[in-house]
Amino acid sequence: ELVLTQSPGTLSLSPGERATLSCRASQSVSIYYLAWYQQKPGQAPRLLIYATSSRAAGIPDRFSGSGSGTDFTLTISRLEPEDFAVYYCQQYSSSLWTFGQGTKVEFK
Amino acid sequence: QLQLQESGPGLVKPSEALSLTCTVSGASIDRSTYYWGWLRQPPGKGLEWIGTISYRGNTYYNPSRKSRATISVDTSKNQFSLKLSPVTAADTAIYYCARHNYGDHTFDYWGLGTLVTVTS
Repeated sequence: ELVLTQSPGTLSLSPGERATLSCRASQSVSIYYLAWYQQKPGQAPRLLIYATSSRAAGIPDRFSGSGSGTDFTLTISRLEPEDFAVYYCQQYSSSLWTFGQGTKVEFK
Repeated sequence: QLQLQESGPGLVKPSEALSLTCTVSGASIDRSTYYWGWLRQPPGKGLEWIGTISYRGNTYYNPSRKSRATISVDTSKNQFSLKLSPVTAADTAIYYCARHNYGDHTFDYWGLGTLVTVTS
């Protein structure tokens, strides 16, 4: 089974700073099948990025995704107060959809 | 505006069956090219995909849950359902239904989620 490992587990930053979140796969993932979600406390996850780098509808352009093969990155260019949340990467391969364990972006 | 709403018991006894229904509004399941999925999140933990069903009834399951999970669709009610049996305390989680975009393999619309606690 393909495993996604996210790092760091927690990222402590201040508003206005840049956040860089990593998602590493145990096997190569198609760039078309790597997505990122944001989850705030008490809420359902929200799709941010699909196909590695495409923003979902209504997602601000401070969110960007990149990567290929086994290494993928979510970047938040300048953190807004509403961006402090948990972020998950998700992949598809062989009729199996799996998530990373999450990275929490918290106030420093 | 597409909306999904989970419903079902919040408490289930060990060894019994967990049954949840997702009601879809704002779109017709049987006229959609989208699929429909169930996911869960144990308290304080990450997300796990349980399974997915197409509007035609084709199903896909997480191999780790396949033997206990059954997903079905009722197009007349615009609903799809999850049955998980038998359950243990490890099945305590927030259960989400979601629209599964089979084109880019994402979950692009989610219900609010419902907490199911397995306890005697």
